[in-house]
Amino acid sequence: QKEVEQNSGPLSVPEGAIASLNCTYSDRGSQSFFWYRQYSGKSPELIMFIYSNGDKEDGRFTAQLNKASQYVSLLIRDSQPSDSATYLCAVNGAGANNLFFGTGTRLTVIP
Amino acid sequence: EPEVTQTPSHQVTQMGQEVILRCVPISNHLYFYWYRQILGQKVEFLVSFYNNEISEKSEIFDDQFSVERPDGSNFTLKIRSTKLEDSAMYFCASSESGANYGYTFGSGTRLTVV
Repeated sequence: QKEVEQNSGPLSVPEGAIASLNCTYSDRGSQSFFWYRQYSGKSPELIMFIYSNGDKEDGRFTAQLNKASQYVSLLIRDSQPSDSATYLCAVNGAGANNLFFGTGTRLTVIP
Repeated sequence: EPEVTQTPSHQVTQMGQEVILRCVPISNHLYFYWYRQILGQKVEFLVSFYNNEISEKSEIFDDQFSVERPDGSNFTLKIRSTKLEDSAMYFCASSESGANYGYTFGSGTRLTVV
């Protein structure tokens, strides 16, 4: 059973702060890692993906991957109220053609 | 920007009735997926579809569910005899190159079984 674990939150940060979201996964053979953002009542929207150990930056977002620890994180710098959403971690297991999602972390950015 | 289109946005059906949820994936995408999300719960994989056949399915995707690509553009999910517990948001997704590269999700169909 492939598991993706996230702290459900809620996580509250003040506007302008760094939000740190974490995810662990059980399948050591997992190859691809994704962060999706989901606003209430809406569909998931892909914001970042990472394949290799280390950091990957895209604007205010940085994804971090540590395969040895089976850990993925997402940092959001200069958090804005519009970043308030649920952030879903998704993992593509070894040999699988689908993504397994965590339960998501709800982030609230306080103006 | 290309979109995955789902219809209807909301469907209410009586328990035991058949429903068909429709999706139009992005035109050059080759991999198609259905997920569901029960209110307040995680996004759960149902089925993946490639080259006109199911490539993977989850335990949720039992004999009551079926998928079809009836023409070159539509991708449908049929639930034969709906149950109350089928009430959920159903998301269609598509990918050009498979799950390794992420998906684009449609806006979803909210299915309410009464």
